Amino acid sequence: GENVEQHPSTLSVQEGDSAVIKCTYSDSASNYFPWYKQELGKRPQLIIDIRSNVGEKKDQRIAVTLNKTAKHFSLHITETQPEDSAVYFCAASIRGDRDDKIIFGKGTRLHILP
Amino acid sequence: DVKVTQSSRYLVKRTGEKVFLECVQDMDHENMFWYRQDPGLGLRLIYFSYDVKMKEKGDIPEGYSVSREKKERFSLILESASTNQTSMYLCASSLGLAGVGQFFGPGTRLTVL
Repeated sequence: GENVEQHPSTLSVQEGDSAVIKCTYSDSASNYFPWYKQELGKRPQLIIDIRSNVGEKKDQRIAVTLNKTAKHFSLHITETQPEDSAVYFCAASIRGDRDDKIIFGKGTRLHILP
Repeated sequence: DVKVTQSSRYLVKRTGEKVFLECVQDMDHENMFWYRQDPGLGLRLIYFSYDVKMKEKGDIPEGYSVSREKKERFSLILESASTNQTSMYLCASSLGLAGVGQFFGPGTRLTVL
């Protein structure tokens, strides 16, 4: 089955700098990779996702890159702001197979320092 | 906007009690999921359902069961609650297969005494 490793578990970044969170996955058949942001006391929310036929996707200050050969994908946040402080979860799943499921990483707690 | 609601935000139960956690979504999503979230362990899938009356075990189904009698409602049942089931429980739904674009409920913090 799929296994997703996420690093680092905690990350502190100066406001305005960039933050990078990395995930690796084990199942080469995985083809969908979402990222969720969970603010303190709130529900996880999908912020960006990428499919395996794409190497990079960008949405304003957030970007995700995927390296299928190395089986890793990363979240990049540029020009970080205080509201970026949250826990971020990566996940991997295999689309098209009803019996398969999405597996989450353990999360990264991002602190944006003033 | 997709809305996923859970019946309670906070719940306190005693060991051995039967506990029902309800989840309702209003976007006609086929797939629904139950996770528990614990510090340092992230989100772990308990059960999911891809259709009415269908259910599949996740990674940690022991001690839990589920029910999906209607498309919009997915219930998590703790047959005999134990203290190690104290956790935050999150429900989610998605339109696509394999959890593509999941929308989460607000969570239920369950404490078992």
